Amino acid sequence: GQQLNQSPQSMFIQEGEDVSMNCTSSSIFNTWLWYKQEPGEGPVLLIALYKAGELTSNGRLTAQFGITRKDSFLNISASIPSDVGIYFCAAVSSNTGKLIFGQGTTLQVKP
Amino acid sequence: NAGVMQNPRHLVRRRGQEARLRCSPMKGHSHVYWYRQLPEEGLKFMVYLQKENIIDESGMPKERFSAEFPKEGPSILRIQQVVRGDSAAYFCASSQVSGDYGYTFGSGTRLTVV
Repeated sequence: GQQLNQSPQSMFIQEGEDVSMNCTSSSIFNTWLWYKQEPGEGPVLLIALYKAGELTSNGRLTAQFGITRKDSFLNISASIPSDVGIYFCAAVSSNTGKLIFGQGTTLQVKP
Repeated sequence: NAGVMQNPRHLVRRRGQEARLRCSPMKGHSHVYWYRQLPEEGLKFMVYLQKENIIDESGMPKERFSAEFPKEGPSILRIQQVVRGDSAAYFCASSQVSGDYGYTFGSGTRLTVV
C-alpha cells in the first residue's frame, strides 16, 4: 500500500541551529501536509502544500512539495526550545482520498 | 469557538470490557475522522463519517470496532471486548467540507487496557 518514509527518526540539536527533515514515497501525491504533535496533544497543522514545486513558509518554517510529487521536506530555521515535539508529514492518497501519515521525526532542542 | 473536543482524555479498561470514545467536532463541521496512534508511530486512518452516515470504514478492524455520528450529539467510537493490543491514542478530527485535509484534530483519548 501507499506509505511515507520520514527521516530522520529523531534529532537532538542545539538552540539556534537549523533543522531539516524529509518525507519520501514511491507513490505520487497531490497534497502534502506537515503537522507538529506535542506530548499529550493532537497534531496541529503547520503547512499545507497543493502544487508540485511549491515552496511555502510559515514564520521560521519552510516546506516544499517535491517536483516529482513523491517527496516533501520541512526546514526549521534558528530553532528554539519550543520547537520540541514530533513532526509528521502527511499526504492525501490519490487512490482513496485518505490522509496518510509518516512515522514522525522527534525533535529535541538543547538550550 | 471551541476546537474538536474528545473525552475522556484517559480511559482504562480491563480486558473484555467495552470502551466508548466521544468526539464533538468543531462548530459547523459535519465531517469526522477517527485515527489511531500506537506508541512511536504515526496516525493510522480508521473511519470517516458524516452526520448519520459512514463514508469510509476501510481502516476499521472487522470485529469489535464500530463508529457512529448521529444527527444529534457527538461521534462515538466503540470498542467491544477490548484486548491489550487496543491500547493506543485515538484521535478525532473534523472538517467543514469533504476534501479539506488540513482538518483540526482533538487532543485524543488515551486508552489503556489492563
